[in-house]
Amino acid sequence: AQSVTQPDIHITVSEGASLELRCNYSYGATPYLFWYVQSPGQGLQLLLKYFSGDTLVQGIKGFEAEFKRSQSSFNLRKPSVHWSDAAEYFCAVGAWGGADGLTFGKGTHLIIQP
Amino acid sequence: DAGVIQSPRHEVTEMGQEVTLRCKPISGHDYLFWYRQTMMRGLELLIYFNNNVPIDDSGMPEDRFSAKMPNASFSTLKIQPSEPRDSAVYFCASSRRTSGANVLTFGAGSRLTVL
Repeated sequence: AQSVTQPDIHITVSEGASLELRCNYSYGATPYLFWYVQSPGQGLQLLLKYFSGDTLVQGIKGFEAEFKRSQSSFNLRKPSVHWSDAAEYFCAVGAWGGADGLTFGKGTHLIIQP
Repeated sequence: DAGVIQSPRHEVTEMGQEVTLRCKPISGHDYLFWYRQTMMRGLELLIYFNNNVPIDDSGMPEDRFSAKMPNASFSTLKIQPSEPRDSAVYFCASSRRTSGANVLTFGAGSRLTVL
């Protein structure tokens, strides 16, 4: 069975600083990977996804993520955060051509300091 | 497109009462998923449907939980009888599988409080 680990429960970053959120996955076959963002009281919004090809993927709101198969990681990055980026971020893994649901990590709560 | 629509957004009920949560998926999507979110357990997949047929309900916690999808534009998740430990946010998501992968679009969620 697949699993996702987000080691950081909370991260505090100053506005304008760079950001990296960590995600490690466990899956025996080819995964497909996602990052979702959840603002308070809202549903989950897709930031970006990786299916195949270029291991650096670009998403919405200036986010990017890099797939590293050797490290089983899919870390999310942003060069300069804005106060509006404060939210909960979830990494998720799916099974290519297999079971249809996504397995989510526990999430990382991002706090932006002025 | 209006996105995935869930109702009610908030539900407060007393232990033992029946709760019905509703979901309207995005038109043209053939997969529908129900997830539950709690602080302790995070996001858990409860059940999902493909073309209105339940495919995997192994995540449904107990027989008190049931889900139906009578047609392509409507699904319900029912809890009967409800218990305080069922308090959570319940999300519905839909997708149309392309290239062997599902990209889920989530609704805003239904926050359930069982007293």
